[in-house]
Amino acid sequence: EVQLVESGGGLVQPGGSLRLSCAASGFTFSSYWMHWVRQAPGKGLVWVSRINSDGSSTSYADSVKGRFTISRDNAKNTLYLQMNSLRAEDTAVYYCARDLAASLYGMDVWGQGTTVTVSS
Amino acid sequence: DIQMTQSPSSLSASVGDRVTITCRASQSISSYLNWYQQKPGKAPKLLIYAASSLQSGVPSRFSGSGSGTDFTLTISSLQPEDFATYYCQQSYSPFTFGPGTKVDIK
Repeated sequence: EVQLVESGGGLVQPGGSLRLSCAASGFTFSSYWMHWVRQAPGKGLVWVSRINSDGSSTSYADSVKGRFTISRDNAKNTLYLQMNSLRAEDTAVYYCARDLAASLYGMDVWGQGTTVTVSS
Repeated sequence: DIQMTQSPSSLSASVGDRVTITCRASQSISSYLNWYQQKPGKAPKLLIYAASSLQSGVPSRFSGSGSGTDFTLTISSLQPEDFATYYCQQSYSPFTFGPGTKVDIK
């Protein structure tokens, strides 16, 4: 079964850091681009970041650029999101998602999400 | 950045109704437009990619059309399991979601 499972969410103070993980199974992880997408409580979906299949190319939403870093370990079939200098507005459910075709055609597999709460 | 708008923001419909949701991009995105369905507390589900291609396993009552800046998602005969929020997303440069359209029961 194709599956993505996120972990690492939790409560963190403003200015703090958190690292999210996304464990992939059931497919050849190293062949796919991957994304992080977030959703604040009661709000819509917001794309956060993407990484290509070998990790050599990344891109970020302006709202997280310079604070968040996406990476992957293809040997461990795991995607990461390092989040630094967290702000209250980063509070959201964070989803990892598999790219259908080199970032052209959307995201076809999603995890269940992990919740990040930034609050003092 | 490319901005996406959707209309309506919400609609009420009955089982069996034909439903149409519109998505507009602030500049041409060719056919790099995707549609998702999201139910409360669940992850989004890809319905349509490349404006009009039906994702594997998605019922044929869902269809998409458009190119350039104007796109449409159509549900030909609304089923009980279709009550959800629908998002468009451009994958041209780099990725932006629309604000969503909530479809609920009339």
